[in-house]
Amino acid sequence: AQSVTQPDIHITVSEGASLELRCNYSYGATPYLFWYVQSPGQGLQLLLKYFSGDTLVQGIKGFEAEFKRSQSSFNLRKPSVHWSDAAEYFCAVVGYNKLIFGAGTRLAVHP
Amino acid sequence: EAGVAQSPRYKIIEKRQSVAFWCNPISGHATLYWYQQILGQGPKLLIQFQNNGVVDDSQLPKDRFSAERLKGVDSTLKIQPAKLEDSAVYLCALGLPEAFFGQGTRLTVV
Repeated sequence: AQSVTQPDIHITVSEGASLELRCNYSYGATPYLFWYVQSPGQGLQLLLKYFSGDTLVQGIKGFEAEFKRSQSSFNLRKPSVHWSDAAEYFCAVVGYNKLIFGAGTRLAVHP
Repeated sequence: EAGVAQSPRYKIIEKRQSVAFWCNPISGHATLYWYQQILGQGPKLLIQFQNNGVVDDSQLPKDRFSAERLKGVDSTLKIQPAKLEDSAVYLCALGLPEAFFGQGTRLTVV
């Protein structure tokens, strides 16, 4: 079965600083990869996805992610964080026709 | 893009009571999921349907949880009897590989 690991439970950055959230997956082939964001009391919003092709994918709100097959990783990045980016971020994987989520990384942004 | 409506949005019940959640796809897709999201955790897949049939229910506590999908469209998830640890947000989603999520039902068991 596939699995998803988000090593960082909680990250705090200053507004304007760069951000990288880590995601590693376990699956025998190349899975479909996703990043979702969830603000308190809100539903899950898709930030970006990777299916195939260019390994650097652009998403909404200025986020991007890079798929690295050799490292089984799909890290999320943003060059300059805004206070409104404070939320919970989930990496997710589709493998064996099943969508599985990581435990999430909670992002706090200092003014 | 698939739209997903869930009801109710909030529910408070006492332990040992029963509760039902509804998922009404605004537009159709063959794959439908129910997830349980406990506060501070990632969504956990409870059950996955492909049309009317169950594809995966390996993490569904079948002694108390049940789910069905009617005519490959609407779906219900039921808990009977509820326990305190069932307090969570229950999310319905449609689509594979990209899934579209409803707003969820927040269940509090007291």
